[in-house]
Amino acid sequence: EDQVTQSPEALRLQEGESSSLNCSYTVSGLRGLFWYRQDPGKGPEFLFTLYSAGEEKEKERLKATLTKKESFLHITAPKPEDSATYLCAVQAAPGGSYIPTFGRGTSLIVHP
Amino acid sequence: DAGVTQSPTHLIKTRGQQVTLRCSPKSGHDTVSWYQQALGQGPQFIFQYYEEEERQRGNFPDRFSGHQFPNYSSELNVNALLLGDSALYLCASSFSGGDAFFGQGTRLTVV
Repeated sequence: EDQVTQSPEALRLQEGESSSLNCSYTVSGLRGLFWYRQDPGKGPEFLFTLYSAGEEKEKERLKATLTKKESFLHITAPKPEDSATYLCAVQAAPGGSYIPTFGRGTSLIVHP
Repeated sequence: DAGVTQSPTHLIKTRGQQVTLRCSPKSGHDTVSWYQQALGQGPQFIFQYYEEEERQRGNFPDRFSGHQFPNYSSELNVNALLLGDSALYLCASSFSGGDAFFGQGTRLTVV
């Protein structure tokens, strides 16, 4: 069974204080690992897809990295508008379930 | 591009009733997936539709059913509503199962 564990559950940062969110996963064969941002009461907003270990992608203050067992979402010099819940999901390769499995998310609050 | 649109945005139903939620995919997308998200949880996969057929299904009872129309739009139907069905229902669209983009969701409250 595919599993995704995100840590920490909640994170409070001061504006400008860089940090990382973790997504540990277990999947029979990885097709893709996805990061989303979700604001309260809204649908998740797509950020990145990573496909293979060693891959990195960046968008503004966010950088996502991938190893064979986990992914990190690095936030550099965060601003209050980065406050949101960040969700990680994995999708198994063909031959696996192909059903995306989401973690419970990390709730990030950035104080001015 | 309007992105993925869902309707209605909010809905209140009574236990035992039936509900239909609607989703229009992002332009150019042919695959629609539905998710249920309880408060404080990640989205749980309900099912996926491609070429008007259910391609994959998560661990949800038969009370949850769906449909995809020739224009790729989709409906989620839930029969015999339970209090536990209260959640944010999300629709996501993609092109041939690629990167999925979500709508804003429908908040369903069952009383």
